[in-house]
Amino acid sequence: DIQMTQSPASLSASLGETVTIECRASEDIYSNLAWYQQKPGNSPQLLIYDANSLADGVPSRFSGSGSGTQYSLKINSLQSEDVASYFCQQYNNYLTFGSGTKLEIK
Amino acid sequence: EIQLQESGPGLVKPSQSLSLTCSVTGYTITSGYDWSWIRKFPGNKMEWMGYISNSGSTNYNPSLKIRISITRDTSKNQFFLQLNSVTTEDTATYYCARGNYVFDYWGQGVMVTVSS
Repeated sequence: DIQMTQSPASLSASLGETVTIECRASEDIYSNLAWYQQKPGNSPQLLIYDANSLADGVPSRFSGSGSGTQYSLKINSLQSEDVASYFCQQYNNYLTFGSGTKLEIK
Repeated sequence: EIQLQESGPGLVKPSQSLSLTCSVTGYTITSGYDWSWIRKFPGNKMEWMGYISNSGSTNYNPSLKIRISITRDTSKNQFFLQLNSVTTEDTATYYCARGNYVFDYWGQGVMVTVSS
């Protein structure tokens, strides 16, 4: 199985800040990576696929980057509605998920 | 609007079978896309369980292959999860979702506890 190591586990940031969440794969996943947001009490929402493609309806302040084994999700100009958990998922070899990052507003 | 909704018992006894239904509205499950089950354990680890394709074929996580079955009822636009011989380690929130490797619509999830 490909292991996905996500960091940090939790994050506190101020409104308007830029935050970055990272995922490291145990082997090259060739940009076959998605990012999801899950707000409390809600179902997960797809944010990014193919490492850097924005899903339909997702605000442009979200962006994804990376290659090989290292990937990141960046949120520019943090808004209050961005309070959520975020997790990555690789689909290069079956599917495995990161452990999630809980984002709070400072 | 595409919506998925899981339903099923919230409590299952060890060694029994877990059976869940995903009801899909706003999209016909035979029109395209594949339809998956994913679960989230206490502690937040997530596991893709398997999918049923729009043509009815299935693909399962190898770690569950001997215990899992995903089927569908196209007349009701529903698909189903059956997980046999459950243990306490199958306690999780179970989600259905559209897709087979990237999931663009998810249900709200149903919490299932395995306990005697």
